[in-house]
Amino acid sequence: ETGVTQSPTHLIKTRGQQVTLRCSSQSGHNTVSWYQQALGQGPQFIFQYYREEENGRGNFPPRFSGLQFPNYSSELNVNALELDDSALYLCASRGENTEAFFGQGTRLTVV
Amino acid sequence: AQSVTQLDSHVSVSEGTPVLLRCNYSSSYSPSLFWYVQHPNKGLQLLLKYTSAATLVKGINGFEAEFKKSETSFHLTKPSAHMSDAAEYFCVVSVGGYNKLIFGAGTRLAVHP
Repeated sequence: ETGVTQSPTHLIKTRGQQVTLRCSSQSGHNTVSWYQQALGQGPQFIFQYYREEENGRGNFPPRFSGLQFPNYSSELNVNALELDDSALYLCASRGENTEAFFGQGTRLTVV
Repeated sequence: AQSVTQLDSHVSVSEGTPVLLRCNYSSSYSPSLFWYVQHPNKGLQLLLKYTSAATLVKGINGFEAEFKKSETSFHLTKPSAHMSDAAEYFCVVSVGGYNKLIFGAGTRLAVHP
């Protein structure tokens, strides 16, 4: 158990829809990162939040956005879903001097 | 730019034999390197990490890795494979002031009886 929980575990959406994925970090972890893992590939960095501000972003379009809340929860929002957005989405939380702890992920299928 | 290359997409070993999963890295700075394991339908679990201390790093479940700067390698080894080691393994480098993680493509380890 990493203390990081994600919901839902599985989700099916239609192309063009919007989706919100949620993550609950460990208490005291003020950094949360989101990763996209396509089938058969390694996770790709989407973005990171530190104390509710985005402080790093990977090569993903603006329709991928996020929020981090004071209660150590966070969200990943994806607008205008495309078929290629089908993937496992992982969130990871980290304290000031700890390694990243990953949740079990949300499997998103876009049809 | 920082990156990692996992040299084998699949590795198959017999139970009780040694495991070697190969990783080369590219980094402009002294890197922080990690190995993560992912079991089917599970999240990522940290096996071990190198952060410029001892070059031989011991992790969980009997795994270890050696940082070799001259070879830009960080190979993962285990003396004796167990059936429960069958999983996907990722070599990872941490970059930037905000510690963004860059993952390799992964190596799928199969362990046969």
